[in-house]
Amino acid sequence: QVQLVQSGVEVKRPGASVKVSCKTSGYTLSDYYIHWVRQAPGQGLEWMGWINPNSGATTSAPKFEDWVTLTRDTSTNTVYMEVNSLRSDDTAIFYCAYGDLFYMAVWGKGTTVAVSS
Amino acid sequence: QTVVTQEPSLTVSPGGTVTLTCASSTGTVTSGYYANWFQQKPGQAPRALIFSTYNKHSWTPARFSGSLLGDKAALTLSGVQPEDEADYYCLLYYTGGQLVFGGGTSLTVL
Repeated sequence: QVQLVQSGVEVKRPGASVKVSCKTSGYTLSDYYIHWVRQAPGQGLEWMGWINPNSGATTSAPKFEDWVTLTRDTSTNTVYMEVNSLRSDDTAIFYCAYGDLFYMAVWGKGTTVAVSS
Repeated sequence: QTVVTQEPSLTVSPGGTVTLTCASSTGTVTSGYYANWFQQKPGQAPRALIFSTYNKHSWTPARFSGSLLGDKAALTLSGVQPEDEADYYCLLYYTGGQLVFGGGTSLTVL
């Protein structure tokens, strides 16, 4: 079955960068999109962007355009989300989710990124 | 900036029926917005329930259904169970590949 396994908790200083991984299994990576979603503590879900693993094409929400980089490694069936210039209010759980352009089906368990000085 | 609006909270009795809605600041929600619905319980990742307005995933319980209701997308729970108490989020697709989540509805089963 489809599984998305995300990397572990990250603790970063303000101004640092973080790269979160999402390792996929149970399907062909290039056949489906991977979306990334942010959830700040006690807050709702925010769609950040998607990557088409087949072409490498990406689209991001305007809020995240200059801040997030989405990449993939088809040799390891892994997708990455890198965020730069972290601030303390960027503390959140980041989820990857598999689906298509219009939907998300299976989600990873999430990666907590804590930003603190 | 596009805003997607949901009821902040709703309460339903066990065995009852409740409808959650999802409105877009751009106007009427149609099937072209490919509405998705997700359930999230405390400390857990979201779980997908409905995609493309009406379609259920293989794991979606039969008591959940998606529809269009007036100018909104809707999620109806029929025969609500105590385990349905959770936050529910809708997601809409916009031209250009952009997606936007609603603010979420906290559903209490009481």
